[in-house]
Amino acid sequence: GAVVSQHPSWVICKSGTSVKIECRSLDFQATTMFWYRQFPKQSLMLMATSNEGSKATYEQGVEKDKFLINHASLTLSTLTVTSAHPEDSSFYICSASRGAGEPPELFFGSGTQLSVL
Amino acid sequence: AQTVTQSQPEMSVQEAETVTLSCTYDTSENNYYLFWYKQPPSRQMILVIRQEAYKQQNATENRFSVNFQKAAKSFSLKISDSQLGDTAMYFCAFMGTGNQFYFGTGTSLTVIP
Repeated sequence: GAVVSQHPSWVICKSGTSVKIECRSLDFQATTMFWYRQFPKQSLMLMATSNEGSKATYEQGVEKDKFLINHASLTLSTLTVTSAHPEDSSFYICSASRGAGEPPELFFGSGTQLSVL
Repeated sequence: AQTVTQSQPEMSVQEAETVTLSCTYDTSENNYYLFWYKQPPSRQMILVIRQEAYKQQNATENRFSVNFQKAAKSFSLKISDSQLGDTAMYFCAFMGTGNQFYFGTGTSLTVIP
């Protein structure tokens, strides 16, 4: 199957600082990537859909100025949590799908555990 | 918006036994896909099985099979010969024409040795 690499796996930062999370599709081109947030023992909550070369589409209630998403190439999308606060502490997961013509499937990164002190 | 419902927050099964996880969904679309994803303690999401709505035959992948009832909008997952490595959160998911995935709330499955 296709591989999605996500880094870092975990990060601890001070309140007020910014954190960047990278999501790469290693062996396929991903025109669309998705960013999810997951709280303990809960489901995945879609934050935004990232399209290569265009602005991300954010879900209702997600602050676009706090969660900056950049999808500059067909293999890389980044999520930057700006001015992080303790309430931003969570598990963030990226995913990507291959293009049309392939059986639909979401390939997931291994996730990033963010802890804001 | 599509909704996906998993009514069993937690389940357990004895090793080597069979367990069925339930999932229902609501949609007005006719062409769509349904999925079961597994999230073990490592938290890496893994595709277990996929079903195309226009295919009446139930999908199977080794010990995993589904019971897809399109009219009832039901999509249950059966795990046969349960193994300790099957312990995980299981998420049912729906994908329609918009290519967006909708996930259920998950079922935590514990396989008891």
